[in-house]
Amino acid sequence: DAKTTQPPSMDCAEGRAANLPCNHSTISGNEYVYWYRQIHSQGPQYIIHGLKNNETNEMASLIITEDRKSSTLILPHATLRDTAVYYCIVRVVLETSGSRLTFGEGTQLTVNP
Amino acid sequence: DTAVSQTPKYLVTQMGNDKSIKCEQNLGHDTMYWYKQDSKKFLKIMFSYNNKELIINETVPNRFSPKSPDKAHLNLHINSLELGDSAVYFCASSPTNSYNEQFFGPGTRLTVL
Repeated sequence: DAKTTQPPSMDCAEGRAANLPCNHSTISGNEYVYWYRQIHSQGPQYIIHGLKNNETNEMASLIITEDRKSSTLILPHATLRDTAVYYCIVRVVLETSGSRLTFGEGTQLTVNP
Repeated sequence: DTAVSQTPKYLVTQMGNDKSIKCEQNLGHDTMYWYKQDSKKFLKIMFSYNNKELIINETVPNRFSPKSPDKAHLNLHINSLELGDSAVYFCASSPTNSYNEQFFGPGTRLTVL
């Protein structure tokens, strides 16, 4: 799997957009970018994933650069409940079972009132 | 209507004891996983089962034995508990053909005294 680099921590004001960057310069053509988050004392939660096009769902938007070497997760209107550790993971999409998600250190996002 | 549930939520026990953690998912997924999150917050996969068959077995001591009575359940039995086994254990499941979109349980905090 391609290695990812994320800032250890970020702050965001409540109601503002939170933009979380991730570098994955060694990503290969068949690898997707996945984002998960872990709110304190809870299990990780899947947020979104993408290959090369920008993606949006009810939780967030994912912007992937044209060269696919970096991406940004955007929480458009951050709330206090978005305070969590956010993990960027690069993985191939398996056609058989046995996916190992490798969680790095992630980014601790703190949303301030 | 909990998706992935684990019992117990907390488990405190003495060194040398044998204990089990249970996991159930009602999502109809074929694949289930066990992850361990240590005190440094790193989350690592331990096992993966697909339709009751072991798929992934990371470098985990033989004292850990997963058991899948059916595809909705994946239990973790630990023999001869050691201090280093203290961690939070997360169960997860994923749908067929979307193995990287994993749904995690709330975790079981194991403390070995």
